Order: sequence, then C-alpha cells, then structure tokens
Amino acid sequence: ETGVTQSPTHLIKTRGQQVTLRCSSQSGHNTVSWYQQALGQGPQFIFQYYREEENGRGNFPPRFSGLQFPNYSSELNVNALELDDSALYLCASSLYRGGYTFGSGTRLTVV
Amino acid sequence: DQQVKQNSPSLSVQEGRISILNCDYTNSMFDYFLWYKKYPAEGPTFLISISSIKDKNEDGRFTVFLNKSAKHLSLHIVPSQPGDSAVYFCAADGNKLVFGAGTILRVKS
Repeated sequence: ETGVTQSPTHLIKTRGQQVTLRCSSQSGHNTVSWYQQALGQGPQFIFQYYREEENGRGNFPPRFSGLQFPNYSSELNVNALELDDSALYLCASSLYRGGYTFGSGTRLTVV
Repeated sequence: DQQVKQNSPSLSVQEGRISILNCDYTNSMFDYFLWYKKYPAEGPTFLISISSIKDKNEDGRFTVFLNKSAKHLSLHIVPSQPGDSAVYFCAADGNKLVFGAGTILRVKS
C-alpha cells in the first residue's frame, strides 16, 4: 500500500509566476485536501475534492485552484504568485472521516 | 479567528517523565479531534484521535483527554522518549481539519 506522494519536494518561483503542485493519493482514498503551512504556524485548509468535485474551500483567493483526476490524484495551481505564498504545501488523502494520510509536502519559495 | 489554539509554543521534558500537551477550541460544533506529530521535512503523522462521545482514549504510551465543557483537550505521553521530540499539532475535524499552531516537544536524555 503506497502512501501519499507529492511532487516536487522543493521549488523556487518568481513573484507573478504560476505554479502547479501534484499529489498522488493513497490507494483507495477518494478524497483529497490541500493545506498551506507557513513558517511557525499550523496547516491552513485550502480546499478539498471528493470524486473530482470541490466540496469545501478555506479562506484562500480564487488564484488558488485545484483539480482531482479519475484516479484520485490531484493538482494545486496557484496563479500570480505573491511573496506570502512561500510555504509548505501539504496534500492529504482520506477515505473516511478522520482517516487522513499526509504527504511530505512541497516547499515553495517565492522570490 | 483561531478556532483551535495551542498556547504553549514549546515544552521540554526529561526522558521517562510525562509530557502533557494542551489544546483549546472555540467551536462547540467540533465533535472529533486528532493529534498529529511532525518531523522536519515530513508530513504530519497521525497519533491518536477522540470522538466527543468519549472523554478519554488510550493507545500505548499516548492518551488523549477531552473536556467538552471546557472545550479543552490534552495529550499525555508516558513515558516520554527522545524519539518523541517533534512538533505536535492538535486538530479538529469539521469536514476539514482545523489545526492549532503546534507545540515543539523536546525530550532530553
């Protein structure tokens, strides 16, 4: 049973650019959620997808968007990057409430 | 609006002693709580959870206590081991996870 895999592990982007982060869900998990963890803070909920439909969104602007594919893998896209978008982005997959498995995250630095 | 708060940024404990990590929440609709452990460069790892129909849940060295009237939960680790040194997050599951800011636990040998 594979866990949650995120790619890339690190990347550096310039302010104003666009970025796509990827997540492969744990086998059998049909729900994926994304979190942003800024330095010294707890993870903040961005959005959640269930069977390819967004079914929950946190307090993030529309330039944060996502997709979930039929194999339940997922992408997080961020347009018009800002310096404050620098953070660790975590993906979590789940099949039932409370059964979240997290990936190791993508460290995004915006310069 | 912080709905889940961990007011102690750090805690230092001697090996073999008890570690107690605290968490408060404000939303009385929360009915399921989880504790996660996180090492640098890794994602959060699930430790233990508790439903609001219980006031205690144990798993080996880890016990979580829930006081609904006080909107407070705590994680007890007994005995503490150096490998327990990590950041601990409390989270409430309200169809999404709402995390506290975390507590850095250092277990000294």
